[in-house]
Order: sequence, then structure tokens, then C-alpha cells
Amino acid sequence: DSGVTQTPKHLITATGQRVTLRCSPRSGDLSVYWYQQSLDQGLQFLIQYYNGEERAKGNILERFSAQQFPDLHSELNLSSLELGDSALYFCASSAIAATGGLNEQFFGPGTRLTVL
Amino acid sequence: GQSLEQPSEVTAVEGAIVQINCTYQTSGFYGLSWYQQHDGGAPTFLSYNALDGLEETGRFSSFLSRSDSYGYLLLQELQMKDSASYFCAVRTDNYGQNFVFGPGTRLSVLP
Repeated sequence: DSGVTQTPKHLITATGQRVTLRCSPRSGDLSVYWYQQSLDQGLQFLIQYYNGEERAKGNILERFSAQQFPDLHSELNLSSLELGDSALYFCASSAIAATGGLNEQFFGPGTRLTVL
Repeated sequence: GQSLEQPSEVTAVEGAIVQINCTYQTSGFYGLSWYQQHDGGAPTFLSYNALDGLEETGRFSSFLSRSDSYGYLLLQELQMKDSASYFCAVRTDNYGQNFVFGPGTRLSVLP
């Protein structure tokens, strides 16, 4: 158990819908990361937040958005869903935000999103 | 663009040593991470190299050569539980932690 929790575990929805994925980082971790893992695209970094502020952005679609709240939990919002958005979405957290450090990220169990 | 290359599959027997290579071409380089992922599980961190050389952690070691844009993960005394996918990932920026992941190498350990 990494200490990172994600809800829900599974989500099934239809094209065009909007969903929200939730992540609670390890106690004390200020950084939260979101990743998408699909069979054809592998593991892709979406976005990083540090203490409530966006710190790094990867291949995140405009239909997707995220935020980190004052209690450090984070939400990933996916809208106008398409079949291709079906994937496993991981949240990770770490204590380190900037340069240096071990750069170790602790991954949650993931949310499996199925878009029908 | 950003690209990382790893072998897609590696097979070895229990007790053996295996090396998983990773070559990268990225717009920025600040370090190389390795992660292990069992089927149905989440990635777990194994190592991070920011400087050239070998880092050893128990049965696992990781090597980096920045001049060659190359790194490898060395697994010794293989055990059945090491059967998993292994991903290398490059940190591409210095302010945030934007990691680009490789396609993964599926390691099968045979008895």
C-alpha cells in the first residue's frame, strides 16, 4: 500500500459525458501527479500540482482539467468523453517538488475508466 | 519530439542476471527513473539517476551515461516475483517533474 488513495476504482460512462476522478496523496506529500495508461499509448504524464499550484504540464488534452485543493487532495476532470479516453488513470504523490531529491513518486491503485 | 526505447520483452531464469536497456532522445534531461509494474498493479519506484554512474539498491542496480543518452536496469538473483513490466522514465524539466515514460519491458522469469 503506497498510501495514495484514488476513487472510484472503476468508472463506466458514455461518450460525451463528464467525470471526476479523486486522489488523496500520502500524508505530508505536497506534490500530486496524474498519469494516463492505455494499451496503445503507454504511461503518459498529464499534469503535476505542488501545494495547490500547477507545476508541470504534459500531454493533457484541453477537455481535461485538474486542481489541487487546500487539503492537498486532487481531482482530475474529464469532459466530452470519447472512446479513446478509456484507460487507467493513476495519481501519484511525492514530497519533492523542485530540483534535487530522490524524485520518488508513490502511485495510487488507479481508476479504470471505460467509455462506451 | 521525445522518445525512449526499451526492449519489449526479456526472458530469464530464476537466479540469473538480466539487464534492461533504455535509450532516450528528449528535449531536456534531468534524470532517469525506473519503475516496476506488476499486472493489474500500480507502478512502484525502483531508482533514480541524475548523474553518470551506477547506483545499487539491493538486487537492483541502475546505470546512467548522459553522454550516450543511455541507461540500464540490472536485476540480479532473479526471483519469480520479479516477473513484471519495467519502465524507464526521463525527467524533462527542472522546475516541475515532467516525466516521459518508455514503452516498458515485460520481464518473464522462468523456474
